[in-house]
Formats: sequence, C-alpha cells, structure tokens
Amino acid sequence: AQKVTQAQTEISVVEKEDVTLDCVYETRDTTYYLFWYKQPPSGELVFLIRRNSFDEQNEISGRYSWNFQKSTSSFNFTITASQVVDSAVYFCALSGMYSGGGADGLTFGKGTHLIIQP
Amino acid sequence: DTAVSQTPKYLVTQMGNDKSIKCEQNLGHDTMYWYKQDSKKFLKIMFSYNNKELIINETVPNRFSPKSPDKAHLNLHINSLELGDSAVYFCASSQRSTGGGRNEQFFGPGTRLTVL
Repeated sequence: AQKVTQAQTEISVVEKEDVTLDCVYETRDTTYYLFWYKQPPSGELVFLIRRNSFDEQNEISGRYSWNFQKSTSSFNFTITASQVVDSAVYFCALSGMYSGGGADGLTFGKGTHLIIQP
Repeated sequence: DTAVSQTPKYLVTQMGNDKSIKCEQNLGHDTMYWYKQDSKKFLKIMFSYNNKELIINETVPNRFSPKSPDKAHLNLHINSLELGDSAVYFCASSQRSTGGGRNEQFFGPGTRLTVL
C-alpha cells in the first residue's frame, strides 16, 4: 500500500515570506515517482514537478524549489518570496512503479491550503 | 487548444438517475484516468485505462463504468446516482514511458456533480 501525508492542513503567511510545504510518503516500491500539483481557487489541477526515486537532486524553478530526501521519505516544496497568486491548495502525489496508487493512478496527499495575505 | 477537456462542467441531477461525463484529450497520450475529489478536497483514483486494459480501484461501486470509444476519449457513466456521488470528477491523461515509468498526468477542468 502507498501513502502520502501532508500534515499541514492550512498555512497562512504574509506576502513575500518564504513558506515550505511538507510531504512525507510511504511505498514498498524501490522505483517510484513523486509529484506536486497546484489547485488554485478556480479548481483546475496544475502540474508543477515530477521526480523519480533515483534522482535526489534538488530542483529550483524560479521562486519554487523542491527538496527530495529518500532517507526521510520526504519531498518538500518551498516557495520563496510568496505572492498572493500562490494562494491555492497544493497536493503531493506518489506513483509506484508496481503499485501505482490503485488503478495505476496517483496516490494523493490530502493537500495543504496555502493562503498568502497581502 | 485545451489539452484535456471535460463536459459538462456542472451537472445537477436527481437521485436514481443515470448520467455520463465526457472526457477528451488531444495530447496523444496512451493512458487516461478518472479521479473523484470529495468535499474535503481529497483526490482518489477511480479508473485507469491503457491500450484497452482497464484497471479499477476496488473501492469504486460497479454503478460507475468508464467507456473508451478510442484512445482520445474516456467517458464516465454513472447509474442509479446516489447523494454520496456528489463530488468533482477529474479526467486525466499521461503517456507511459518505455519500461513503464510514470510521467506526469494532465488533468481536465473537472465536472462538479450534484445529486439532489
């Protein structure tokens, strides 16, 4: 069985602050894939990043960065200098090579609602 | 051009009715999915469909059935709708990598189903 835990249900920060969203996962697969998606108030799901289990390099994309640590089974997401437009629900997700989230899909965490106040 | 589209965007219906949600992707992907997002925003996989192989999440009631007329479409049929079926349903697609690697899934805009 696979599991993704996003312990932070809601985070509220003031604009320009840095914020880190935590994601901890469980899987028995040795090959697996981790994802982050953003769901803004408009409701669509926007893909942000994909990382496979063999690539532990951190990733930076503009104000976004991701820290993948297999030793702690974590895949955390940091937004630097947050902006009001970053307000959304952020989902961490997992897909195992051989046990892909049931029906071969993604296993999602419960999401973190990020509120950026002006 | 919309990559993954769903119709309708909103669907309001009475308990006991049968309804369908359509999904089309123009990305040329070989795998399509249906997810359910409940009122607490929890997303759960319902089905995946790849090259005529349908994989069903065992928790999905058999009142739900996906139908794929071709690789670009995966429609969701729901029979005898119940109050608990009210949710947002998302269609998604992805391309399998050689060797079975998992690529990112691209999601449609969602269909909000309300059962009265």
